[in-house]
Amino acid sequence: DTGVSQNPRHKITKRGQNVTFRCDPISEHNRLYWYRQTLGQGPEFLTYFQNEAQLEKSRLLSDRFSAERPKGSFSTLEIQRTEQGDSAMYLCASSRGQGSNQPQHFGDGTRLSIL
Amino acid sequence: GEDVEQSLFLSVREGDSSVINCTYTDSSSTYLYWYKQEPGAGLQLLTYIFSNMDMKQDQRLTVLLNKKDKHLSLRIADTQTGDSAIYFCAESSPGSGYSTLTFGKGTMLLVSP
Repeated sequence: DTGVSQNPRHKITKRGQNVTFRCDPISEHNRLYWYRQTLGQGPEFLTYFQNEAQLEKSRLLSDRFSAERPKGSFSTLEIQRTEQGDSAMYLCASSRGQGSNQPQHFGDGTRLSIL
Repeated sequence: GEDVEQSLFLSVREGDSSVINCTYTDSSSTYLYWYKQEPGAGLQLLTYIFSNMDMKQDQRLTVLLNKKDKHLSLRIADTQTGDSAIYFCAESSPGSGYSTLTFGKGTMLLVSP
């Protein structure tokens, strides 16, 4: 059973550039979640998908952020016109479908550093 | 709204028991989780409990829930140096459709030989 896979592991870019991260969930999981974690804090929810449908977005997800999951498998998170405050670890998680007792399993994250 | 609080730091000696505490605010039926994060890595699910349970044990891990006080604890028996990490308490509740997790800031556990 392979876990949640995220690429790249690290991304360094200049302020104002666009970046895109990819997440491959556990294969039989149809829910996929994105979280952001800054230094010294716990992860904060950004958005989640059930299959290809994006069901919820946090207020943290500004209009510079967009997430997709076009075929209900992998997902991408794009940040346009990056800012210093976007520096963080971006974590992806997945879980089995509906049901209240389906725990989320996390990938190792993509660490974004904005110069 | 949901809020989760944890103490920030705990130091123990190898072989001792560790107890990490967490308080939460949501009073509705909720799931409560413990995750472990090692440096530079993602979160590893350790265990979880539903709020109609008082206790759950899984090998060296024991979770105790005091629903009245909204207090959750994670006890690690025979703590090893490999247990050194940050431990996060998280909850999901019907208010979010159990779809999102609200995390505490994490407790750094340092195990000395």
